[in-house]
Amino acid sequence: QKEVEQDPGPLSVPEGAIVSLNCTYSNSAFQYFMWYRQYSRKGPELLMYTYSSGNKEDGRFTAQVDKSSKYISLFIRDSQPSDSATYLCAMSLPSGNTPLVFGKGTRLSVIA
Amino acid sequence: EAGVAQSPRYKIIEKRQSVAFWCNPISGHATLYWYQQILGQGPKLLIQFQNNGVVDDSQLPKDRFSAERLKGVDSTLKIQPAKLEDSAVYLCASSFLSGSADEQFFGPGTRLTVL
Repeated sequence: QKEVEQDPGPLSVPEGAIVSLNCTYSNSAFQYFMWYRQYSRKGPELLMYTYSSGNKEDGRFTAQVDKSSKYISLFIRDSQPSDSATYLCAMSLPSGNTPLVFGKGTRLSVIA
Repeated sequence: EAGVAQSPRYKIIEKRQSVAFWCNPISGHATLYWYQQILGQGPKLLIQFQNNGVVDDSQLPKDRFSAERLKGVDSTLKIQPAKLEDSAVYLCASSFLSGSADEQFFGPGTRLTVL
């Protein structure tokens, strides 16, 4: 079992839809959870960051962490064609200098 | 604020040849990372520097890969000799500090094709 599992998609939705992206993980010691967005031919950029369990909202984006289920989610409301990208989950241990462990990424297309 | 710069953007070589990539991090960022991203996969950390010292190189294939960060600023990653399976995007990232929670800023990557 890989440390971080993420469905690679592709996922295609109409403009305005609510998008749900998910990752599961096996290491219960992970404490920092991130979502990165990667446009084609670009490097990843940090979208959302959550420490431990709970929800975090930023505009149209909501990140959720359920540590009891080892499951994290990213919700995108009112999706736009500009949201079309690959979304990577990443997580790390609480101690300093530990590397980020990334999922494979989910490719999302929002159709106008 | 200028972002992380990488060059070249694309490189095509034949197997057994050598290749080098260059990275200039964001000014003032102490920590620099090199990642390998194979098509359809997430980035995998190859090496992490803090200033000019190596923090983590446990996943760097040291028989063929080497990296240095002279003077704690720019960094180069070298592959010698290259194999077909080295075809990937090599991403450089930097962060102000080195903790797990510090935001990493990524460059655009160098896309390597090994024929």
